[in-house]
Amino acid sequence: GDSVTQMEGPVTLSEEAFLTINCTYTATGYPSLFWYVQYPGEGLQLLLKATKADDKGSNKGFEATYRKETTSFHLEKGSVQVSDSAVYFCALSDPDYKLSFGAGTTVTVRA
Amino acid sequence: GAVVSQHPSRVICKSGTSVKIECRSLDFQATTMFWYRQFPKQSLMLMATSNEGSKATYEQGVEKDKFLINHASLTLSTLTVTSAHPEDSSFYICSARGLGGRAGVSYNEQFFGPGTRLTVL
Repeated sequence: GDSVTQMEGPVTLSEEAFLTINCTYTATGYPSLFWYVQYPGEGLQLLLKATKADDKGSNKGFEATYRKETTSFHLEKGSVQVSDSAVYFCALSDPDYKLSFGAGTTVTVRA
Repeated sequence: GAVVSQHPSRVICKSGTSVKIECRSLDFQATTMFWYRQFPKQSLMLMATSNEGSKATYEQGVEKDKFLINHASLTLSTLTVTSAHPEDSSFYICSARGLGGRAGVSYNEQFFGPGTRLTVL
């Protein structure tokens, strides 16, 4: 079945540091790929997405590129802020639009 | 953008009682709604998928008689936890997939509610 493997955390960074969270997937066909963010005590918010190979999703300074050859969708941000502290989930969507989530990576940014 | 609400945001109940959680799509019609469960510091586990007007499809290992799902309209789905016990305490999150054709709503995207924290004493 479809699955997502995500870099385990927690990750602790200083402000303005570079962030990367690795995500690889296993799926039949060509899934859509997503990054969701969950702030403490809240539900999930879509951060960015990509629907086909070589697409780059971007939002709020975050980027991720759909790499079919390496089955990856790594999340990056060049300069993190304290407000980026959250849990980040990589996910893929199957043809029935069911989402499979990675385990989540907790990111803490210190001032 | 599309908004999904959940009510209540928090609920505390006694063991043996039933609790109903509502999930509403506020500005779009949701043909499909999904219910997830999230344990502390863990990922989301899909419990069931419900399509408007039909019975929910439950994931393996999820008790359908324990977690009753109703999706009676294109804007409302409910999850009822029957005879709740402390092990049912969790964060329950719903999501909705849009009908499409509305600005900001993508047919292949799920929009998530803010979640409901259930504590069973």
